[in-house]
Amino acid sequence: EAQVTQNPRYLITVTGKKLTVTCSQNMNHEYMSWYRQDPGLGLRQIYYSMNVEVTDKGDVPEGYKVSRKEKRNFPLILESPSPNQTSLYFCASSSRRRAEAFFGQGTRLTVV
Amino acid sequence: KNEVEQSPQNLTAQEGEFITINCSYSVGISALHWLQQHPGGGIVSLFMLSSGKKKHGRLIATINIQEKHSSLHITASHPRDSAVYICAVLFGNEKLTFGTGTRLTIIP
Repeated sequence: EAQVTQNPRYLITVTGKKLTVTCSQNMNHEYMSWYRQDPGLGLRQIYYSMNVEVTDKGDVPEGYKVSRKEKRNFPLILESPSPNQTSLYFCASSSRRRAEAFFGQGTRLTVV
Repeated sequence: KNEVEQSPQNLTAQEGEFITINCSYSVGISALHWLQQHPGGGIVSLFMLSSGKKKHGRLIATINIQEKHSSLHITASHPRDSAVYICAVLFGNEKLTFGTGTRLTIIP
């Protein structure tokens, strides 16, 4: 089954404790991206990747890092999480930039 | 500035009604997506358009490039169509910009 898998689904952590949210797709897609969703602000792009070792900033990259060492994986790293990064996060992939997007199930992160 | 506006923000209708959700954007685009987000939070891609019209079951999406406008239509609406519908636009700089969504409620 074609899918994008995010882990964990839910996470509560403390300020400053490094964490990684994993994202994996099984469709051999080149394009992957991370978004955060906040009430009243909608979805905003954090980072995206056009292919292995090619990443670029979205609209809200501050406080986040990404890497794309393999085509299937695109982890989101929060080196020092802060409460303003409490949000619902989505990973998505598509075969190319202009193609149908497949979304992961979402990760609800709470930073206290 | 690349902007995306959706209307209405909230829409309540009776089962069976014809539904229209609108999306307008400020400058030329590469592509436009319509997404559906159910109360559980998951997001599903409904359509990706760069011109014309697409249909899938009871859902129809249209885009008018000259007027910088897209519409999502639902025919014979059903309570299971209740969700948030999100328009997302791919501008030339590779970044997706999202509308704030339309919350649709279909009453039996």
